[in-house]
Amino acid sequence: AQSVTQLDSHVSVSEGTPVLLRCNYSSSYSPSLFWYVQHPNKGLQLLLKYTSAATLVKGINGFEAEFKKSETSFHLTKPSAHMSDAAEYFCVVSDLQKLVFGTGTRLLVSP
Amino acid sequence: ETGVTQTPRHLVMGMTNKKSLKCEQHLGHNAMYWYKQSAKKPLELMFVYSLEERVENNSVPSRFSPECPNSSHLFLHLHTLQPEDSALYLCASSQDIRGTEAFFGQGTRLTVV
Repeated sequence: AQSVTQLDSHVSVSEGTPVLLRCNYSSSYSPSLFWYVQHPNKGLQLLLKYTSAATLVKGINGFEAEFKKSETSFHLTKPSAHMSDAAEYFCVVSDLQKLVFGTGTRLLVSP
Repeated sequence: ETGVTQTPRHLVMGMTNKKSLKCEQHLGHNAMYWYKQSAKKPLELMFVYSLEERVENNSVPSRFSPECPNSSHLFLHLHTLQPEDSALYLCASSQDIRGTEAFFGQGTRLTVV
């Protein structure tokens, strides 16, 4: 069965510094992977997706993620954090029948 | 705006009340979902509909009753809920049920008193 592990429940950064949110996946075949963002009391918004094309995926709001098969990782990065990036981020793997969500990483951005 | 609209955004109900949550998608998708999001718990998939037919029910108590009259609309009927059912209920849709990306509504914040 497919699964994802988000290695950090909370990440704190200062505005203007890089963001790294870590995700490792488990899959018996080439997976589809996604990152979603959720702002307080809102629904989940798709940030980006990997579907076996380019391994470096660019998403909205300056985020990108790199698929590394050898490390079974799909970490989310952004060069410079904004205050508006403060939210919860979910790494998701598809098992071809449904989406499997990670437990989420809360990103805190301080001025 | 993701093309998935949920109403109401907030709902407070007593344990003896009956209420319904509504979801509508304008994306032409064939699959719709109900998820429950509780504090400090992973997102829980409750129900899956494909072409108006329920294809998955993840051991959800019978006090939650879904209805999918057509591929654009999904309801969650609630009756005799418990305080632990208080949560954010999210509706989502996707092109099909083969694990393609889902588009989520804003959610309904439910409080059971």
